[in-house]
Amino acid sequence: EVQLVQSGIEVKKPGESLKISCKASGYRFTTSWIGWVRQMPGKGLEWVGLMYPADSGTTYSPSFQGHVTMSADRSNATAFLQWSSLKASDTAMYFCARQTGIIDVFDLWGQGTMVLVSS
Amino acid sequence: YELTQPPSVSVAPGQTARLTCGGNSIGSKIVHWYQQRPGQAPVLVIRDDKVRPSGIPERLSGSNSGNTATLTITRVEAGDEADYYCQVSLSRNEPFVFGPGTRVTVL
Repeated sequence: EVQLVQSGIEVKKPGESLKISCKASGYRFTTSWIGWVRQMPGKGLEWVGLMYPADSGTTYSPSFQGHVTMSADRSNATAFLQWSSLKASDTAMYFCARQTGIIDVFDLWGQGTMVLVSS
Repeated sequence: YELTQPPSVSVAPGQTARLTCGGNSIGSKIVHWYQQRPGQAPVLVIRDDKVRPSGIPERLSGSNSGNTATLTITRVEAGDEADYYCQVSLSRNEPFVFGPGTRVTVL
């Protein structure tokens, strides 16, 4: 089955670090892009960034540049999104999604990882 | 570049819902639509203005011209109740711009 399976809910304190994951299966991980999308509680979708696992090339939204880092483990077909110092405003659901081909569209989504940051 | 969507649309079962996505000369861009049911991840329902991915019912269709793209849902069902987001690509550095979303309520 073609799917993206994300890691579970995370509860953290401000200033802590965090790395969430997105495991791909059922398709060739290195021939597609993986993107991340944030959804704050009760709000819409915001693009975080896009990564090409084959060469680890990345593009970040200006709104997130410098605050998050995308990476990938090609041997385990897993993408990661990490923070070195969380803020309360990072509280949100984070979705990973696949882009196949050159058209910028997400044709497959993970189930989401809820990140709660509170003191 | 800003995309505009009406915050909400209400429609009776069996009727037709037309969801709009406005943007300056959006007709010159490629528009995609996502459906997000409550508590679930988004699902791509229309890509490339009017192409339905596998598994998406023919009741959903898309169009794009001028300053408005439209997602049309005919014979609306209870299961169509969801938030719908349009999305365009602006450049290599800004490949994903989402509209604010429209909540569809089935009466």
